[in-house]
Amino acid sequence: GAGVSQTPSNKVTEKGKYVELRCDPISGHTALYWYRQSLGQGPEFLIYFQGTGAADDSGLPNDRFFAVRPEGSVSTLKIQRTERGDSAVYLCASRSQSGARRFNEQFFGPGTRLTVL
Amino acid sequence: DQQVKQNSPSLSVQEGRISILNCDYTNSMFDYFLWYKKYPAEGPTFLISISSIKDKNEDGRFTVFLNKSAKHLSLHIVPSQPGDSAVYFCAASPSGSARQLTFGSGTQLTVLP
Repeated sequence: GAGVSQTPSNKVTEKGKYVELRCDPISGHTALYWYRQSLGQGPEFLIYFQGTGAADDSGLPNDRFFAVRPEGSVSTLKIQRTERGDSAVYLCASRSQSGARRFNEQFFGPGTRLTVL
Repeated sequence: DQQVKQNSPSLSVQEGRISILNCDYTNSMFDYFLWYKKYPAEGPTFLISISSIKDKNEDGRFTVFLNKSAKHLSLHIVPSQPGDSAVYFCAASPSGSARQLTFGSGTQLTVLP
């Protein structure tokens, strides 16, 4: 079956520009997460969606970052007025919340590598 | 303040020998621990997990040990194979419905043929 997909795979932009990163979770997964991974670090939690609502956005670094999931499936991470420090790999993950087996397992997409020049 | 720490950035082992990857955590609210494996240009792939009510979980060549009193877990791979060469991330999640993961910084494992 299809896994988590993310587009684009690479995005190069200039400082100050606006970018959108897309995530298609595994069909039927109600939980969706965004993480950011900087070079030499592990992924850092940004935001968690349960269905259409952002249940926990405590990891978003500031108000330039925003994410939506209007129909409870595809999600878009939006970054305004990009800064060089936003350069990182942005990872999306989804999780099924039904069934007992491996209910904590998050399935990750390949990520979007964002470079802000 | 890193809540999940992997103090060894890299580890090299000979094919067929045991690989031991270590992880320490500080947050007592973590009750579920996972290991992910990551190849370049791919997302992390789930490997094995353990609940805080257990001290050992085994899946084929992979075993995870949890020492709650020491806030320490380890991943054992035996026998190690060249295909195991990857970055391994330890992750932890607190109780509750969100289950967001806190990751360590990873250990690059190289299995030498």
